[in-house]
Amino acid sequence: NAGVMQNPRHLVRRRGQEARLRCSPMKGHSHVYWYRQLPEEGLKFMVYLQKENIIDESGMPKERFSAEFPKEGPSILRIQQVVRGDSAAYFCASSPGTALHEQYFGPGTRLTVT
Amino acid sequence: GQQLNQSPQSMFIQEGEDVSMNCTSSSIFNTWLWYKQDPGEGPVLLIALYKAGELTSNGRLTAQFGITRKDSFLNISASIPSDVGIYFCAGQLSSGGSNYKLTFGKGTLLTVNP
Repeated sequence: NAGVMQNPRHLVRRRGQEARLRCSPMKGHSHVYWYRQLPEEGLKFMVYLQKENIIDESGMPKERFSAEFPKEGPSILRIQQVVRGDSAAYFCASSPGTALHEQYFGPGTRLTVT
Repeated sequence: GQQLNQSPQSMFIQEGEDVSMNCTSSSIFNTWLWYKQDPGEGPVLLIALYKAGELTSNGRLTAQFGITRKDSFLNISASIPSDVGIYFCAGQLSSGGSNYKLTFGKGTLLTVNP
């Protein structure tokens, strides 16, 4: 059974460009979570989605950031007009339900904004 | 803001030694989780704790959920070189939290000298 997949693993963008991060959950998982990790920091919750629904986006900046989890295809975290402060590792996790111990993390996307 | 204090920030030990790290908070947690993160990878769940006072082992790892529900520790016995990595505590807050939202500590970087 393949784990949570994220791509790209590394992404370099210039200031003002858009970044699109993709996450394919584990087979059978319909819950997706995005976390951000700044250098030498722990992960911070951004958004929780179920298929076609955003359940909780309280950790996501109101501007420039958006997330979706369509009926078909991967979940997408989109950052418009990136700034240097967006440079971080972005992790996706998935679960079959909302039990904490069932959140499985992907390998992350390292975003660098130049 | 940061609600989990994890210590120590880093540790340098000799192979075979035991290791202890802990997390404390001024807030009450319902669940404590311990993760390990290898360079360039996502966090992998090591141990999950669900009840105050609970002591759980996973091989050479032992973790406890503090009686006050405000702290947890992780012990690694007889360390080996592959224990190298960053260890994170994470939990679900009792107040204002959701059963899917994890709050992470800043991590403990463990280096094991062979």
